[in-house]
Amino acid sequence: GAVVSQHPSRVICKSGTSVKIECRSLDFQATTMFWYRQFPKQSLMLMATSNEGSKATYEQGVEKDKFLINHASLTLSTLTVTSAHPEDSSFYICSARGDGGDEERGSPDTQYFGPGTRLTVL
Amino acid sequence: QKEVEQDPGPLSVPEGAIVSLNCTYSNSAFQYFMWYRQYSRKGPELLMYTYSSGNKEDGRFTAQVDKSSKYISLFIRDSQPSDSATYLCAMSLFQGAQKLVFGQGTRLTINP
Repeated sequence: GAVVSQHPSRVICKSGTSVKIECRSLDFQATTMFWYRQFPKQSLMLMATSNEGSKATYEQGVEKDKFLINHASLTLSTLTVTSAHPEDSSFYICSARGDGGDEERGSPDTQYFGPGTRLTVL
Repeated sequence: QKEVEQDPGPLSVPEGAIVSLNCTYSNSAFQYFMWYRQYSRKGPELLMYTYSSGNKEDGRFTAQVDKSSKYISLFIRDSQPSDSATYLCAMSLFQGAQKLVFGQGTRLTINP
């Protein structure tokens, strides 16, 4: 099956520093990757959609200057949390979209999720 | 009102029991319905998807969609301790839609 990796799995940083998280599709090419944030006992909230070679599309309420997304290749997207603050502490998960699916069978585009990165800002 | 509502639980049942997990939604335009399983400190993995209304079965898992009631269910038969995880429902408007809308997730524990 399709595998998506994230690095690092866990990061602790001081307030005011920037943190970069990498998301890689290991065995398939992903023109579209998604970045989610998940707070404890809450659902995944989509932050932005990243398309290879173009600017990311951010969800309402997500500051694009704070959460910088770069999708430089078909297998790599990065999320940089700039000037991190304690309220940015969360579980960040990326996903990469697989093939187009089969409309006759009703299969959707499948999103394959990475294992997540736990960010703690002190 | 959230677009997708899901009881967060926690839900605890004995091994071998039938588990019923549910979500309701408000947007009647949703057409694709998915269930993801998420183990602690891991990313979600797709369990099942259903297009429009109806039932779909895969081994011990059955997904049901009732669009008239805006209600979807996931049933787990002969539940195992390894099924202990958080189960998230997710929905999208159409194939190729960029956005999945997730429920809050239900934390399930199967007790040996």
